[in-house]
Amino acid sequence: GESVGLHLPTLSVQEGDNSIINCAYSNSASDYFIWYKQESGKGPQFIIDIRSNMDKRQGQRVTVLLNKTVKHLSLQIAATQPGDSAVYFCAENKGRDDKIIFGKGTRLHILP
Amino acid sequence: DTGVSQDPRHKITKRGQNVTFRCDPISEHNRLYWYRQTLGQGPEFLTYFQNEAQLEKSRLLSDRFSAERPKGSFSTLEIQRTEQGDSAMYLCASSEYNEQFFGPGTRLTVL
Repeated sequence: GESVGLHLPTLSVQEGDNSIINCAYSNSASDYFIWYKQESGKGPQFIIDIRSNMDKRQGQRVTVLLNKTVKHLSLQIAATQPGDSAVYFCAENKGRDDKIIFGKGTRLHILP
Repeated sequence: DTGVSQDPRHKITKRGQNVTFRCDPISEHNRLYWYRQTLGQGPEFLTYFQNEAQLEKSRLLSDRFSAERPKGSFSTLEIQRTEQGDSAMYLCASSEYNEQFFGPGTRLTVL
């Protein structure tokens, strides 16, 4: 069964504000936790991943935080833009080229 | 375009018919994956190949489903005797020891 899930199905954020999307996982054996972005009609697009031995990783405008104590993963998007509108999935795998287990997704709406 | 491509993008078929989808991975990527995504859900793993060898199959892959990657490049996914429950987006991804890159998917509608 699924071991990765998200707290909220929809998140609305004002353009220019920061977005925080949360995820809870249950499988402690995973080595990588990943965030994907999926726009309508397209396949998932890799955003950022974090290895299980890290607690924070930063990319361009995005930060992923991993709290292994409470099995919680979050994605922070700085200065949210209209192009950030999409469904965001947290996911996990045991190796970067291993099969990916996806959660259900959070739809991010950007308010003008 | 050097990304993962899938063909066709959309397929409408009648229940009981056979369908075949094709995936062309990123050149030189040795791993190729198939996932299925239903509306409102995350993608679910079906199977994957390393070169031409099929290494793992999900229990979701019933005996009506078969996937091949004969030359270690493109792959095909065939569904025989389609059922309405097969309606979904079928996604292909490829990788070479790193993150997986997804194609745009084939949306299957079974009437």
